[in-house]
Amino acid sequence: DAGVIQSPRHEVTEMGQEVTLRCKPISGHNSLFWYRQTMMRGLELLIYFNNNVPIDDSGMPEDRFSAKMPNASFSTLKIQPSEPRDSAVYFCASRDRNNNEQFFGPGTRLTVL
Amino acid sequence: TQLLEQSPQFLSIQEGENLTVYCNSSSVFSSLQWYRQEPGEGPVLLVTVVTGGEVKKLKRLTFQFGDARKDSSLHITAAQPGDTGLYLCADPNSGYSTLTFGKGTMLLVSP
Repeated sequence: DAGVIQSPRHEVTEMGQEVTLRCKPISGHNSLFWYRQTMMRGLELLIYFNNNVPIDDSGMPEDRFSAKMPNASFSTLKIQPSEPRDSAVYFCASRDRNNNEQFFGPGTRLTVL
Repeated sequence: TQLLEQSPQFLSIQEGENLTVYCNSSSVFSSLQWYRQEPGEGPVLLVTVVTGGEVKKLKRLTFQFGDARKDSSLHITAAQPGDTGLYLCADPNSGYSTLTFGKGTMLLVSP
């Protein structure tokens, strides 16, 4: 298996622009998680899905952030409009219902100028 | 959601040295996971500890869960440059539906 796939690996954009991050979970995993990692706040859960349904989005910082999972093999995290304080590494992870381990993707490093 | 405190925040040592890093909480853990994150990559699960007093070994890494299940430690024997990375402890919530992470200990092992 290729593991969790994220794209792009790096994104540099200007304040006010829309940013879309993409994730393909491991095939057969039924839970998907979006995290944000910064030096100040560490690794924070933004939102997670079970069977493509959003379960808890309490970690989403503002209405500028939205996430979708249209099918079991694809999810997006969108920021519109982006701000410099959104600069961070964004991770996607997936998990099998029968396993307590989350498998993380390589992350997307976002820089908002 | 309980707060996980990890110490030290940063540790720089020479190859061959031993080290211990810690994860503490004011509340009782139902279980605890340790992850390692190498530069430019996502975290990877090392171990899950469940029972108070439990000790698990993974090659040169020894994980201990406190008797009261409020703390855990990770001891590395004869550290190697390949051990360099961010070590994160995580509290599984609600039957592992989500994880709350500590801020981690950044370990640098120099040759």
